[in-house]
Amino acid sequence: QQQVKQSPQSLIVQKGGISIINCAYENTAFDYFPWYQQFPGKGPALLIAIRPDVSEKKEGRFTISFNKSAKQFSLHIMDSQPGDSATYFCAASMRGNEKLTFGTGTRLTIIP
Amino acid sequence: DAMVIQNPRYQVTQFGKPVTLSCSQTLNHNVMYWYQQKSSQAPKLLFHYYDKDFNNEADTPDNFQSRRPNTSFCFLDIRSPGLGDAAMYLCATSFLGGYGYTFGSGTRLTVV
Repeated sequence: QQQVKQSPQSLIVQKGGISIINCAYENTAFDYFPWYQQFPGKGPALLIAIRPDVSEKKEGRFTISFNKSAKQFSLHIMDSQPGDSATYFCAASMRGNEKLTFGTGTRLTIIP
Repeated sequence: DAMVIQNPRYQVTQFGKPVTLSCSQTLNHNVMYWYQQKSSQAPKLLFHYYDKDFNNEADTPDNFQSRRPNTSFCFLDIRSPGLGDAAMYLCATSFLGGYGYTFGSGTRLTVV
């Protein structure tokens, strides 16, 4: 019930393309869904997050799409750049239990 | 800038020799977390503190202990490091009742 499943495990996208990473959850009590970006040797950094009362949130080139009925959410990176190459983790948490449940991570590589 | 600072960035310790990792924060967050992250894996929660209340994850080995002497500082003690404890150790903070973590840059622990 606490799992968050993330796919794909790795992704290669050409520069300028759209990168899409998907996550699915089981626990309907989750009410906060962040995405973290992690570069090698660094801690994860919050990229963008969404609450289930909206279906989409956009910040610059990064968009979260959220489907409450399907219990799925995804990260879209538009106009992907080599500097976006990193590992991305989706996560979920619920009010009253602030511990984050992480997905397994996606290693994104943007090629020229 | 308000932040989460981990020291040292890199730590080499001998097999079985106790080691302490430190974390400090200037965000005035009341929750602090310690995560272990092994290569290509998601962060795994070891402990967290709500203020001074210590919460141990069920599967955290007894070899790992933690101290939070005040709001700003938190320590991770590994009593007898084994080769399997080599990992990145991440400290994170958040507000109780709030959403989103701020991670430090991590301490890379090598056991020789």
